[in-house]
Amino acid sequence: RKEVEQDPGPFNVPEGATVAFNCTYSNSASQSFFWYRQDCRKEPKLLMSVYSSGNEDGRFTAQLNRASQYISLLIRDSKLSDSATYLCVVNKGGILTGGGNKLTFGTGTQLKVEL
Amino acid sequence: DVKVTQSSRYLVKRTGEKVFLECVQDMDHENMFWYRQDPGLGLRLIYFSYDVKMKEKGDIPEGYSVSREKKERFSLILESASTNQTSMYLCASGGLGIGELFFGEGSRLTVL
Repeated sequence: RKEVEQDPGPFNVPEGATVAFNCTYSNSASQSFFWYRQDCRKEPKLLMSVYSSGNEDGRFTAQLNRASQYISLLIRDSKLSDSATYLCVVNKGGILTGGGNKLTFGTGTQLKVEL
Repeated sequence: DVKVTQSSRYLVKRTGEKVFLECVQDMDHENMFWYRQDPGLGLRLIYFSYDVKMKEKGDIPEGYSVSREKKERFSLILESASTNQTSMYLCASGGLGIGELFFGEGSRLTVL
């Protein structure tokens, strides 16, 4: 079983739609969770962290369910510029020697927003 | 503005050649990482370093080595390149206790 699993998509949605991505992780000791965004032929960049209480950043809402080991990302009112691959990222558990996070990346979910 | 710079965007090498990929960050981060990214497999961690001259194996270290002689610089070395090392290589840096990693633009290596 992969440590982080995502539906690869692609999700093709019309502009203005609401779309949700899900992700499951296998390591119950994982403590930190993130969504990264990767545009075509570009490097990944942090989109948002995911907190147990759920968090929102504009049109983006992230939720964590520790009991089910499940993370979600909801995008409301999709824009053409939201087209990208969304990577679910999980800390492997604990802190690296010397600090910092050792992150495991999912393979990503591709989103295409169309006119 | 934060910056992670990788020395080469595109490289083509022959099987058996030695390959150096260099990465420099200007954020004074303690932690630096090398990943490779392949279709369907996502980003996989090769090696990381949490201090100068310190290194630890990631999930797929075989066939690779690293060097960190200065805090800002982290090099990935392929001692004898093989065709299965054809990939996109991404360097990243991150601070202590911080989840965010900052990535370079990547180095696409083709081994013939």
